[in-house]
Amino acid sequence: SAVISQKPSRDICQRGTSLTIQCQVDSQVTMMFWYRQQPGQSLTLIATANQGSEATYESGFVIDKFPISRPNLTFSTLTVSNMSPEDSSIYLCSVEAPDTQYFGPGTRLTVL
Amino acid sequence: GESVGLHLPTLSVQEGDNSIINCAYSNSASDYFIWYKQESGKGPQFIIDIRSNMDKRQGQRVTVLLNKTVKHLSLQIAATQPGDSAVYFCAERLLTTDSWGKLQFGAGTQVVVTP
Repeated sequence: SAVISQKPSRDICQRGTSLTIQCQVDSQVTMMFWYRQQPGQSLTLIATANQGSEATYESGFVIDKFPISRPNLTFSTLTVSNMSPEDSSIYLCSVEAPDTQYFGPGTRLTVL
Repeated sequence: GESVGLHLPTLSVQEGDNSIINCAYSNSASDYFIWYKQESGKGPQFIIDIRSNMDKRQGQRVTVLLNKTVKHLSLQIAATQPGDSAVYFCAERLLTTDSWGKLQFGAGTQVVVTP
């Protein structure tokens, strides 16, 4: 298994500002993913982040809005830029481990 | 029984009864399926998985059934306990050249266990 931590666990932000979310995993993994979960809904993949290459974004998500870093095999960041109330969601980091895919605890973001 | 709430279908189950949660998946080429449990305020927690070359897999109190003919997945929970109250998501791994590892999630089912 993989143990994943995220920082911050929650935040309340003003519109127009940016927030960077950190994801740390306790073992080296090739593939990391960032998901968004809007209130009461399912999970939607934002992007796939592989170490040493640019993140691959899903339809509807762009790098200018959600820049991602992947500096090494145990760490990634997701930035939510120029936030609006519509960005209020849970943001989840996930990793592809040898046996399956695991999720972090999530970052609960509220934009006022 | 099942009912559709504001966002998620809800399954109400009496403590001690068996639960069956259903999921229809979309891609006939998907090779791997996972069930996750998400408790309030937490991230999804892995429950059980199954590969497309199997039709049944059992864990501790849980069984996953896969019917590839109708693209249907189910999760059975035996002797449901109050701690089983959560939202349950199925996920399929899409098998395309550029999507290795990418999961597509179902809508989720809220399970409420009543005493």
